[in-house]
Amino acid sequence: EAGVVQSPRYKIIEKKQPVAFWCNPISGHNTLYWYRQNLGQGPELLIRYENEEAVDDSQLPKDRFSAERLKGVDSTLKIQPAELGDSAVYLCASSLAAVSYNSPLHFGNGTRLTVT
Amino acid sequence: RKEVEQDPGPFNVPEGATVAFNCTYSNSASQSFFWYRQDCRKEPKLLMSVYSSGNEDGRFTAQLNRASQYISLLIRDSKLSDSATYLCVSNPDTGNQFYFGTGTSLTVIP
Repeated sequence: EAGVVQSPRYKIIEKKQPVAFWCNPISGHNTLYWYRQNLGQGPELLIRYENEEAVDDSQLPKDRFSAERLKGVDSTLKIQPAELGDSAVYLCASSLAAVSYNSPLHFGNGTRLTVT
Repeated sequence: RKEVEQDPGPFNVPEGATVAFNCTYSNSASQSFFWYRQDCRKEPKLLMSVYSSGNEDGRFTAQLNRASQYISLLIRDSKLSDSATYLCVSNPDTGNQFYFGTGTSLTVIP
């Protein structure tokens, strides 16, 4: 079974530039998550999709961040314009629709963003 | 108040030692709990789920104390390869949400 796939692995951009991250979840996983992880911290949720619907985006800085999951499968997270404080690892994860001990969270290998 | 709180450590232990981590959660209605392991510059990976009755997987034992709202992870006979950050995760009953602690750093020393 293929895992969660993210690209790119690394991205270095100058501040005020736009950037986009892509994620393809595990096949059959209806729920998709974007997390941000800063150094020495645990992952923090940015947005959660159930199929194509964003059901929790309360932590997404909507002035510069946007996300979409148009067909309920893969997803894109965008930042425009990027700020220095956006430097972090952006993790995509997926899970089955009904969370249980048998359906925990599975992560992609993340995109490490550096804003200079 | 954070949903999940952990002692960030670091914990530095010699090979063969037993080490335990605790994690507290604030939502008494939380249903599922997990421990994830994260190696340096890698993504978190599921280590084990935490069942109400406690569960063991080789050298790892996870326990849940609902009365005191904490979960624990015990590692026996520590190996160098156990060096990583251990993340405590809770899933409340309000949907497909996962809350992460800040992680506890473990270094096993030869």
